Amino acid sequence: DAGITQSPRHKVTETGTPVTLRCHQTENHRYMYWYRQDPGHGLRLIHYSYGVKDTDKGEVSDGYSVSRSKTEDFLLTLESATSSQTSVYFCAISRSGVRGPVYEQYFGPGTRLTVT
Amino acid sequence: AQTVTQSQPEMSVQEAETVTLSCTYDTSESDYYLFWYKQPPSRQMILVIRQEAYKQQNATENRFSVNFQKAAKSFSLKISDSQLGDAAMYFCAYRSAVMDSNYQLIWGAGTKLIIKP
Repeated sequence: DAGITQSPRHKVTETGTPVTLRCHQTENHRYMYWYRQDPGHGLRLIHYSYGVKDTDKGEVSDGYSVSRSKTEDFLLTLESATSSQTSVYFCAISRSGVRGPVYEQYFGPGTRLTVT
Repeated sequence: AQTVTQSQPEMSVQEAETVTLSCTYDTSESDYYLFWYKQPPSRQMILVIRQEAYKQQNATENRFSVNFQKAAKSFSLKISDSQLGDAAMYFCAYRSAVMDSNYQLIWGAGTKLIIKP
């Protein structure tokens, strides 16, 4: 357990509405990630952050934006939710080493988002 | 681009027996990390074991061990003395060790492991 929480844990929303998911960590790790998990795809990276206000896109970033104004919080926003964004969303952190993030990532409990 | 393939969508094993889950990957890099993660029905993603590509020795963690074949780009997970609590989805993942990459994990599609009592 790396002190990662996600909120909300479940959400149902309608197409076209904005949605923000929150990831909160208690251990001041520099690297944070947002993934989505869909059947048959494993996890796919949406966005990641390597420090406060330092973010970059992953392989499936279209339709998503992120913000990181504090070390402990990494927010994922769907500006206008679509049914294709129905998924389970995971936040992850990496502990920092001298040369960058160390080895493995640790994951939050996930958020199940349904867009109707 | 790197890819990870898990060719077994589902495996089953009798409790107390040994099972091996397969994973192959494709990369042109020489320095990287490989992982096995477990995802039980609770949905929590749990790290099982890690292997550094520069290490020839296979990683072990209690009942879990890997067979890392770098030349063949193969990374299988062996679970000995299977227990009911081992039932879960198992994911193989790759991470580059190249500096200034985004350090993302590249995931396989997963193998569902069923334990028969």
